[in-house]
Amino acid sequence: AQTVTQSQPEMSVQEAETVTLSCTYDTSESDYYLFWYKQPPSRQMILVIRQEAYKQQNATENRFSVNFQKAAKSFSLKISDSQLGDAAMYFCAYRTGIQGAQKLVFGQGTRLTINP
Amino acid sequence: DTGVSQDPRHKITKRGQNVTFRCDPISEHNRLYWYRQTLGQGPEFLTYFQNEAQLEKSRLLSDRFSAERPKGSFSTLEIQRTEQGDSAMYLCASSLNLGLAGAGELFFGEGSRLTVL
Repeated sequence: AQTVTQSQPEMSVQEAETVTLSCTYDTSESDYYLFWYKQPPSRQMILVIRQEAYKQQNATENRFSVNFQKAAKSFSLKISDSQLGDAAMYFCAYRTGIQGAQKLVFGQGTRLTINP
Repeated sequence: DTGVSQDPRHKITKRGQNVTFRCDPISEHNRLYWYRQTLGQGPEFLTYFQNEAQLEKSRLLSDRFSAERPKGSFSTLEIQRTEQGDSAMYLCASSLNLGLAGAGELFFGEGSRLTVL
C-alpha cells in the first residue's frame, strides 16, 4: 500500500519570504500523480499544484512550485513571496496512475503560519 | 454557489444514535467521494461512486456505515449506532471522470463535523 509522510507538523515563515514544505512517499508503482492541497481554517480543501510522475519537469503554479525527485520519492512544495492568505494546513497526496482508480492517499499535513 | 455542498456542517449526537450526512456534488460531476478526517490528520478515503454505482469501499467503512447515491446526483452517508471514535470531519468531494483522458480534479466540500458524546 502506498504511504505519504509529511515530517513537518508545523512551519512558519515571514511574509514575503520563501518556505518549503516536505513530503515523501512510498510506492512500487511507476505511474502515479502527486498533489499538494491547501485547507484553510473552516474552509474547503483546494488543489494547489499537481505533478504527473512521468513528467520530469517540476510543476509550477504562480508562486507555488514543486521539487519532484522520483528516485528519492520526494515531493516538496515551495511557496515564494509568502502571503497572509497562504496560512493553512497543507496536505501532500498520492494517487495511483491506474485508470479508473481515483482515491487519494494523504499525508498528515503541515500547518503553515505566516508571520506579518 | 456551484461548489460541493454538505449538510449539516456540524452535528452533535449521543453515542448510539444514528446520523446522516448529505453531499451535493458539482452538478456535472459523475464521481463522488467520501473521506474522513480526524483532528490533526489527513483525510482518509472511505468510499466513492461513479454515477449511482459504489465502486470501492475502504476497510474503514464498517458495517455501521452506509453510503448511497441513488440517482447519481446527491449522496448520503449514514452512521448507525454512533461511537465516540466516529467523531471526525466527514468530507465529500466530486470530480468528472474523463475516461481515457484520465481523472479530473477533485473538488471538496467544507465538510460535516460529527461530535459523538
